[in-house]
Amino acid sequence: GAGVSQSPRYKVAKRGQDVALRCDPISGHVSLFWYQQALGQGPEFLTYFQNEAQLDKSGLPSDRFFAERPEGSVSTLKIQRTQQEDSAVYLCASSPRDRGTYNEQFFGPGTRLTVL
Amino acid sequence: GQNIDQPTEMTATEGAIVQINCTYQTSGFNGLFWYQQHAGEAPTFLSYNVLDGLEEKGRFSSFLSRSKGYSYLLLKELQMKDSASYLCAVIDSNYQLIWGAGTKLIIKP
Repeated sequence: GAGVSQSPRYKVAKRGQDVALRCDPISGHVSLFWYQQALGQGPEFLTYFQNEAQLDKSGLPSDRFFAERPEGSVSTLKIQRTQQEDSAVYLCASSPRDRGTYNEQFFGPGTRLTVL
Repeated sequence: GQNIDQPTEMTATEGAIVQINCTYQTSGFNGLFWYQQHAGEAPTFLSYNVLDGLEEKGRFSSFLSRSKGYSYLLLKELQMKDSASYLCAVIDSNYQLIWGAGTKLIIKP
């Protein structure tokens, strides 16, 4: 079956522009996570959805970042008024169960965002 | 604060064995993952440990000592395709996954 897909794979934005990044999780997966990964670093948690409910958004760096998953499947991460420090790879991951002790996460290929 | 430490880079020879260490200090512990990430690609799951001891899976093994806040990933019979970054991640008391910066493993023929 299909894995997690993300689009676009690459995005170049001018500073101040709004961007929207899409994630298609594995069908039926309950949990969906967004991460930000800077070059040479591990992923940094942004936000977590259990079905359509956003249960944890403690990692979102500012109110310019907004995520939604309205029907409990596809998710969109929106960044308003992009800044150069937003340049990173944005990873989406899904898992079949609620966030808990063991819940292997399946990652998409990421969207590489470059803000000029 | 929460902290996960791994060596930045390691070099090993094809066919040899390499051990990648990870130490962690987190608010609570609910398990530890190792992921492999090739350059420009998504992380892929390697192993999960929640109890002390060694978990073996083919050429890869992972060890955990909760009392020491320590884990290692052991890779045997190294192949060129094992060149990648290896990420250690801990599930904290809020069930959030805290990631290390990763260890870049370079395999030489």
